[in-house]
Amino acid sequence: DTGVSQDPRHKITKRGQNVTFRCDPISEHNRLYWYRQTLGQGPEFLTYFQNEAQLEKSRLLSDRFSAERPKGSFSTLEIQRTEQGDSAMYLCASSTGTDGYTFGSGTRLTVV
Amino acid sequence: GESVGLHLPTLSVQEGDNSIINCAYSNSASDYFIWYKQESGKGPQFIIDIRSNMDKRQGQRVTVLLNKTVKHLSLQIAATQPGDSAVYFCAENAGGTSYGKLTFGQGTILTVHP
Repeated sequence: DTGVSQDPRHKITKRGQNVTFRCDPISEHNRLYWYRQTLGQGPEFLTYFQNEAQLEKSRLLSDRFSAERPKGSFSTLEIQRTEQGDSAMYLCASSTGTDGYTFGSGTRLTVV
Repeated sequence: GESVGLHLPTLSVQEGDNSIINCAYSNSASDYFIWYKQESGKGPQFIIDIRSNMDKRQGQRVTVLLNKTVKHLSLQIAATQPGDSAVYFCAENAGGTSYGKLTFGQGTILTVHP
C-alpha cells in the first residue's frame, strides 16, 4: 500500500448525468476525508468519515452529493444530476487520527 | 494537469536561496496546522505540521514557525531547489476534534530559478 488511491483520475460527463468516484485510503487509516478544489483555490472540505460513520458534512455538500464508506475501508462519492459548477478536482485524504492527512492524486471532473 | 495558481501570491527565488512563505489564519481556536506542497495535476503533499503548543518545528530543509498572537504561520525552506517549485498551502484544524475538518489558506506559488 503506497498511498491513497483515487479512481478515475479524469471523468468527463454530460450535464445531468450521475457520476461516482472511488477512494481507497491507506489501509491502517480509520479516517477518510473528501475535498473539492477549483482552479486557483485551496481544497474545500466536503465530508469525513471515521470508520463507516460519516461525522461531518459541509454546506457545500448539496442534496445531489452523497458519500458512503460502507465497510470502513474504501469510500465512494456520488454526484447526481451533474451541473457545470460541479467541475473541479475531487480529492480524498486519509489519516490515523494521530497523524497528518495524506491526500490522493484526485479525480478531475469536467461537466460539459 | 491542474493549473492551480491563478491570482495566487507568488514568490520567485534563485536556486540555493532560502524561501519564506507566509500564511495568516483566521480562527484563534485552531490548534493544529499543516503545510502542503501541491504540484500541477497532483494532490497536496504533506510537508510539515505543528501543534498550537509549539512555536517552531523543524524538518529536513523546512521549518515552520507559529505566532499565535498575530495568527501567523510561516514555512521556511532552506537551500531552495528547482524541485521545490509548486503551490504551497497552509491548513488549520479548529480545535475540538483534531484531524477533523481542515481549512486551507489561499496558497502561494513558489518558483525556483536555476
